[in-house]
Amino acid sequence: QVQLVQSGAEVKEPGASVKVSCKASGYTFSSYAIHWVRQAPGQRLEWMGWINPGKGNTQYSQKFQGRVTITRDTSASTAYMELSCLKSEDTAIYYCARDIAVAPDYFDYWGQGTLVTVSS
Amino acid sequence: EIVLTQSPGTLSLSPGERATLSCRASQSVSSNFLAWYQQKPGQPPRLLIYGASSRATGIPDRFSGSGSGTDFTLTISRLEPEDFAVYYCQQYGSSPQTFGQGTKVEIK
Repeated sequence: QVQLVQSGAEVKEPGASVKVSCKASGYTFSSYAIHWVRQAPGQRLEWMGWINPGKGNTQYSQKFQGRVTITRDTSASTAYMELSCLKSEDTAIYYCARDIAVAPDYFDYWGQGTLVTVSS
Repeated sequence: EIVLTQSPGTLSLSPGERATLSCRASQSVSSNFLAWYQQKPGQPPRLLIYGASSRATGIPDRFSGSGSGTDFTLTISRLEPEDFAVYYCQQYGSSPQTFGQGTKVEIK
């Protein structure tokens, strides 16, 4: 069965970077795009960007451009999201989600979420 | 970017009642590329509806979606105890993809 398993919770200081992983199983990793979506306390879901694991091409939300980097390791069927220059407003649950195809679409499977807390 | 506004913010209903949730877009959603998700506390969102009206695999037929252009609706025909949750709409026709702020369906 399709599973996306994310890395564990992180606590970071302002100005630091965080890298969250998302390990996929149960399907051909390169055939479906992976997106990253975050949910800050009391806020709506917010799309950050996506990667085509097969080709490695990415697209980012303009809001996070320059601060977010999404990569993948096809040999490990794992996608990564790195967010730099962290601020307290970046405290949120970060989700990876599988697209239904290799182009931006809706999401049929989600990881369990990774809580990132930014605090001094 | 397209802003999605959901209403009402909270819906207080009893099991067995009908729930009608609204999602309005600030501009037309391309090709009716609109999805609905259900989220329960401590869980990730779960896909219910895509393409405005197509049910995802395994979703009961008491869930239905309708609408086009800028106005979309999610209807739950008869609420079951497991349906009390927060529901989000998402448009994926234009970049950046955006979500509504959610409607909480709570037990009355």
